[in-house]
Amino acid sequence: EVQLVESGGGLVKPGSSLKLSCVASGFTFSSYGMHWIRQAPKKGLEWIALIYYDSSNKYYADSVKGRFTISRDNSKNTLYLEMNSLRSEDTAMYYCAKLGSSGYWGQGVMVTVSS
Amino acid sequence: DTVLTQSPALAVSPGERVTISCRASESVSTGMHWYQQKPGQQPKLLIYGASNLESGVPARFSGSGSGTDFTLTIDPVEADDTATYFCQQSWNDPFTFGSGTKLEIK
Repeated sequence: EVQLVESGGGLVKPGSSLKLSCVASGFTFSSYGMHWIRQAPKKGLEWIALIYYDSSNKYYADSVKGRFTISRDNSKNTLYLEMNSLRSEDTAMYYCAKLGSSGYWGQGVMVTVSS
Repeated sequence: DTVLTQSPALAVSPGERVTISCRASESVSTGMHWYQQKPGQQPKLLIYGASNLESGVPARFSGSGSGTDFTLTIDPVEADDTATYFCQQSWNDPFTFGSGTKLEIK
């Protein structure tokens, strides 16, 4: 059974940093590109980052470019999202996801940026 | 960025056929995918590559289209299909999502 379990969310002040983790199981993690997608409260979905299976390429949405960094450790089946200079508009549920066929999303982790 | 436009809401009765549309601002070839999201849950993949049914998804769900116009069809609709349905394109950078269509079963 495919599982993606996110952690690391919480309440932080504007300008702070936070690092999210996503532990994968039930599939060959090291063979797939992985994504982070977020959803602000009562809002739609926003793709924010992609990392290739071997970390050779990384892509970001303009809204997070230069502030967020996606990374992975295939030996630990873990995906990361390091978030710096957080803003109130970054408040959202953050999902890690394997997109495409046999796609799967984690249950999400909430990040709240507020003073 | 590729903008995906969906109608905001639909209401249908059980047993009916419903079509949910998604229009792209530029061609996405067949790089269109459909998700179902129920309240408090993560999105679930229904259709990938415009028309391919994800494993384990009931055959009541189907997808069609290419280029800029896409459709998700549910036939027949069941009460459990109450959810928000999102389209997502993976053809153009960056990936983008539609704003979602909230489906109510009367």
